[in-house]
Amino acid sequence: SQQGEEDPQALSIQEGENATMNCSYKTSINNLQWYRQNSGRGLVHLILIRSNEREKHSGRLRVTLDTSKKSSSLLITASRAADTASYFCATDVVDSSYKLIFGSGTRLLVRP
Amino acid sequence: DTAVSQTPKYLVTQMGNDKSIKCEQNLGHDTMYWYKQDSKKFLKIMFSYNNKELIINETVPNRFSPKSPDKAHLNLHINSLELGDSAVYFCASSLLDQDTEAFFGQGTRLTVV
Repeated sequence: SQQGEEDPQALSIQEGENATMNCSYKTSINNLQWYRQNSGRGLVHLILIRSNEREKHSGRLRVTLDTSKKSSSLLITASRAADTASYFCATDVVDSSYKLIFGSGTRLLVRP
Repeated sequence: DTAVSQTPKYLVTQMGNDKSIKCEQNLGHDTMYWYKQDSKKFLKIMFSYNNKELIINETVPNRFSPKSPDKAHLNLHINSLELGDSAVYFCASSLLDQDTEAFFGQGTRLTVV
């Protein structure tokens, strides 16, 4: 079964607005990562937050992590049309082997 | 200077055929992966190799056989292709450390007809 569930599944906003995406997961993690996928392309890493961190910033991105609730959120501020993409959370599960388990993704559309 | 490259980008083939997808990374990573992304965009890990050794096989049918000739290459061979194998397959690489990101190839869109 999928480790991560994201909501909303799809989000449509106006350029300049903020976009918030949420991710929930099931098991203990070492870290949680967010990736972006443009249509027809591979995934690109955006940001990584460790399990002992609560918040992290990178440019217009802000990620929070609540390990007690097993959830994370990605906030994109002042969105641009070029931010239109699918966004995935991925968890590095506490396990004997390293693997990233991906959520179902949020499709973001930023209207010009 | 592509970091993770996979070929071909598109592959259309008939049911029952055997096909291979190649992947190479020039990042010096020691771990490589194959992921499958279905039509609903779910990404599921298939295999993981560390220094040419298999470390993860996520209950993938044995028609799928990964091969790693060296730690910079991880190829995926698929026998007796079925309609349900149609998907986008992504190769990725990383260091086998905690708190490290994965780098993905552009994907191979496989269509079985």
